[in-house]
Amino acid sequence: QKEVEQNSGPLSVPEGAIASLNCTYSDRGSQSFFWYRQYSGKSPELIMFIYSNGDKEDGRFTAQLNKASQYVSLLIRDSQPSDSATYLCAVNNWDNDMRFGAGTRLTVKP
Amino acid sequence: KAGVTQTPRYLIKTRGQQVTLSCSPISGHRSVSWYQQTPGQGLQFLFEYFSETQRNKGNFPGRFSGRQFSNSRSEMNVSTLELGDSALYLCASSLSEGSGNTIYFGEGSWLTVV
Repeated sequence: QKEVEQNSGPLSVPEGAIASLNCTYSDRGSQSFFWYRQYSGKSPELIMFIYSNGDKEDGRFTAQLNKASQYVSLLIRDSQPSDSATYLCAVNNWDNDMRFGAGTRLTVKP
Repeated sequence: KAGVTQTPRYLIKTRGQQVTLSCSPISGHRSVSWYQQTPGQGLQFLFEYFSETQRNKGNFPGRFSGRQFSNSRSEMNVSTLELGDSALYLCASSLSEGSGNTIYFGEGSWLTVV
């Protein structure tokens, strides 16, 4: 079982729709959770991080964390073509051992 | 504030050679970690350094090594290169060690082994 699992996609949504990206993790000791966006040929850039159960909103992005179910999700409202990228879920435990999922490729169609 | 700087950006090496990649973290950041990214394996953790000490190591062979200097700059070395070492090598820095710290990536070093 992979430590951090994401649906590889591609996930395709029309412009203006809500894109929902999901991530599950296996280590119950995980403490912090991150979402990175990576455009083709570029390095990952941080979108959001979340530490506590519940929702955290930042502009069009909402991260949701449920530690009991060991999943974290990212919602992108009013999706734009510029949101088309691969989204990486990252999970960090007490040992500061950051593990990444394989990423979900999102395509937003105009 | 300057971001994480990696050099060189692109390089081509032949099998059996060795390569050294350099990383300068964000000013004030003391933790540096290295990742390998390939299409097949995704992002894989190589190692993390804090205060010149390796704090964590991923599951890579001993051909992969690194170090950190007193100014927090870091280098990683891969000896006896294999074709499978072709990848994007990413350096990331964070303020300190610890699970709550956000890491910020550099642009990466694209290594091609022929």
